Amino acid sequence: NAGVTQTPKFRILKIGQSMTLQCAQDMNHNYMYWYRQDPGMGLKLIYYSVGAGITDKGEVPNGYNVSRSTTEDFPLRLELAAPSQTSVYFCASSPGQGIGDTQYFGPGTRLTVL
Amino acid sequence: DQQVKQNSPSLSVQEGRISILNCDYTNSMFDYFLWYKKYPAEGPTFLISISSIKDKNEDGRFTVFLNKSAKHLSLHIVPSQPGDSAVYFCAARPLAQKLVFGQGTRLTINP
Repeated sequence: NAGVTQTPKFRILKIGQSMTLQCAQDMNHNYMYWYRQDPGMGLKLIYYSVGAGITDKGEVPNGYNVSRSTTEDFPLRLELAAPSQTSVYFCASSPGQGIGDTQYFGPGTRLTVL
Repeated sequence: DQQVKQNSPSLSVQEGRISILNCDYTNSMFDYFLWYKKYPAEGPTFLISISSIKDKNEDGRFTVFLNKSAKHLSLHIVPSQPGDSAVYFCAARPLAQKLVFGQGTRLTINP
């Protein structure tokens, strides 16, 4: 199994550009998440999804959008990139949110906005 | 409002000795706690967890201790090995809710 995959690994954007970070999982997990990690900080939840067609905001959703049309894919959209969005982005998935349900993370996308 | 805090940004330990990583939390509704390990250029990977009904959970060289009255969690690694050098994140959540992560502690194991 590939687990959770993310593309691209690295990207440099100019201010105001847009892009989509791709995330896919092959574990048939219902829950999927997008986090960002800034230097010296923990992971902050941007958006999450409890199943296809259902998404909700996390702690830091401003400037981002998501969609979940299939169980496997959970893309994250940046519409107008800003320097404050320079970060490492991690996608994760889990079977549920009960005891014993752990999250599996992708390798991350390092985004720089100049 | 940092609900999960790892107050030590870094820790250096000699190979073969015990590594102790600490984590404090403020939300008394947290009932499930996890430790994740992260190598450079990789995503975090799950290491060990503990539910609030226990005070200790062991898995090989890794033991997690939970002190609910002090709202304190610790991860013990014995003996420490060079491959344990990584960033360790503590995470916690209330039942069926989203995880809250600490800032991470960078552990370096010296030969």
